Amino acid sequence: DAKTTQPNSMESNEEEPVHLPCNHSTISGTDYIHWYRQLPSQGPEYVIHGLTSNVNNRMASLAIAEDRKSSTLILHRATLRDAAVYYCILRDVEAGNNRKLIWGLGTSLAVNP
Amino acid sequence: DAGITQSPRHKVTETGTPVTLRCHQTENHRYMYWYRQDPGHGLRLIHYSYGVKDTDKGEVSDGYSVSRSKTEDFLLTLESATSSQTSVYFCAISEVGLATGELFFGEGSRLTVL
Repeated sequence: DAKTTQPNSMESNEEEPVHLPCNHSTISGTDYIHWYRQLPSQGPEYVIHGLTSNVNNRMASLAIAEDRKSSTLILHRATLRDAAVYYCILRDVEAGNNRKLIWGLGTSLAVNP
Repeated sequence: DAGITQSPRHKVTETGTPVTLRCHQTENHRYMYWYRQDPGHGLRLIHYSYGVKDTDKGEVSDGYSVSRSKTEDFLLTLESATSSQTSVYFCAISEVGLATGELFFGEGSRLTVL
């Protein structure tokens, strides 16, 4: 099963952009890249996902390397509310279910006022 | 926010007692999941359901059973709780199209087994 590698922690200042990296060198052609985040004492929440092209939504942008072996979640202007653990996971469209989802420990993002 | 309610939110029990956690959804989503989250581990799938009375095991299913008699309810049962099952349990739901769809999570149920 394809796995992802993320830094354990990162720090940012409020209102500055944040780039959260994720390596997934064993990604397969049918793996979608998903990002979730988990605020303290809450369940994870969906942030964004993509397959090959860069994606934007109201929460963030996802930049995917051309070889798809890495991706970067971009928060354009960090707020205090963005302090959370960010998970990068791969979801295999051919798996047909979530048994092959592997959740790592994610990146704990601290945002300084 | 997705309509997912977990109950109880907190429970303390003793080793050997049965425990049932309930997940209730108002979204009419087909798929429901139970995860556990422990320090030093990522979220791990216990069981999931792909329809009423249709369930399957996840990666850490030993010691757990599930039932889904209605679309909206997914129950997780620990027949005889052990201290190793002390954890935070999350329920999640999703529509069809898992690779591209979102998982919506509940707020979690913290279980302590003494």
